[in-house]
Amino acid sequence: EAAVTQSPRNKVTVTGGNVTLSCRQTNSHNYMYWYRQDTGHGLRLIHYSYGAGNLQIGDVPDGYKATRTTQEDFFLLLELASPSQTSLYFCASSGYEQYFGPGTRLTVL
Amino acid sequence: QQQVRQSPQSLTVWEGGTTVLTCSYEDSTFNYFPWYQQFPGEGPALLISILSVSDKKEDGRFTTFFNKREKKLSLHIIDSQPGDSATYFCAASALEEGADRLTFGKGTQLIIQP
Repeated sequence: EAAVTQSPRNKVTVTGGNVTLSCRQTNSHNYMYWYRQDTGHGLRLIHYSYGAGNLQIGDVPDGYKATRTTQEDFFLLLELASPSQTSLYFCASSGYEQYFGPGTRLTVL
Repeated sequence: QQQVRQSPQSLTVWEGGTTVLTCSYEDSTFNYFPWYQQFPGEGPALLISILSVSDKKEDGRFTTFFNKREKKLSLHIIDSQPGDSATYFCAASALEEGADRLTFGKGTQLIIQP
């Protein structure tokens, strides 16, 4: 089974703050994804990538940047965090089936 | 935006009973339908999946059914156990697009009462 790790697991920041969420997968999957999960909305795709240097826009990209530096590492950047970005963030990777990390709970005060 | 509709939003079942969760979708290009199980504090985990060329897939106590004509799928859990208490998500994608870009339902919170 694919191994996907995320850091930090919890993060608190203030409005306007700068936040970077990290994700690493160790199974050489080509595709990696960032989702946010909110009550009543399920999982919504923010950005995804099919390889180092590649970035594709998801369904809810506003306010988020992402960068895939290597096959293993995918970062989500919030440069001016807002309270509306308080959420549970999941990273996933896939070759055929998607495997999720444990999540990062972000609170923007 | 492509949608996957999931029902019910929450469900309580007695231990030993059969749980039935359902989803419907709109996009006829969808051909891959996974179900994910999520426990509190964890990420979603793939439970079972089905391709549109099949109408049924079993894995132990879990069975997923697919009806292409009605654009519906369901997850059945027989002999439901308290350990099955979790949130369940259905999802869909069109694999020919070259990416496993899943569209998720909003989830069903399942409680199995002892």
